[in-house]
Amino acid sequence: NAGVTQTPKFQVLKTGQSMTLQCAQDMNHEYMSWYRQDPGMGLRLIHYSVGAGITDQGEVPNGYNVSRSTTEDFPLRLLSAAPSQTSVYFCASSYGGTLGDNSPLHFGNGTRLTVT
Amino acid sequence: AQSVSQHNHHVILSEAASLELGCNYSYGGTVNLFWYVQYPGQHLQLLLKYFSGDPLVKGIKGFEAEFIKSKFSFNLRKPSVQWSDTAEYFCAVISGNTGKLIFGQGTTLQVKP
Repeated sequence: NAGVTQTPKFQVLKTGQSMTLQCAQDMNHEYMSWYRQDPGMGLRLIHYSVGAGITDQGEVPNGYNVSRSTTEDFPLRLLSAAPSQTSVYFCASSYGGTLGDNSPLHFGNGTRLTVT
Repeated sequence: AQSVSQHNHHVILSEAASLELGCNYSYGGTVNLFWYVQYPGQHLQLLLKYFSGDPLVKGIKGFEAEFIKSKFSFNLRKPSVQWSDTAEYFCAVISGNTGKLIFGQGTTLQVKP
């Protein structure tokens, strides 16, 4: 099992550039989510999805778009990169993701993004 | 809005010392609670979780946590820490009406050999 696969591992962007962070899981998980991790701020939820065709905003959605056309994939798009988006991004998935679901999040290995 | 607060940002202990990391959440309804650990250079891994039943939950590597509903708390404990417990620890909460898993700010634990 590959689990949760994120690409790329590292990326440097210039301000204003756009890019897509890829996330794929092979566990048939319904719930997928994107977090950013910044020192002293823990993990903050950007967007999440409870199934194909369904997405919703998390705590810090501004500047990011997502789509969920298939169960396996949940790409995160930066429309116009800003230095404030320099961070480590984690994709995570779980079987259900809702209250009472007895499955933990499976995390990808992260993408370290630097915006200059 | 749902929130999670970890009061200890950086904890330094000697090996064999006891550990307690605080976690409080704001949501008043039914919640599911988690502790995750992130070892240096790695992604997050689940330590333990509470869904229902016995409020004292035991996890991997000798960790346990107690859910105290009246205090909105889910503190993590370990009787005797080891150098290999050096890591960052995150408390997380998912509440019924949001579907969102929200993390606390994290606590960095440094264990001195």
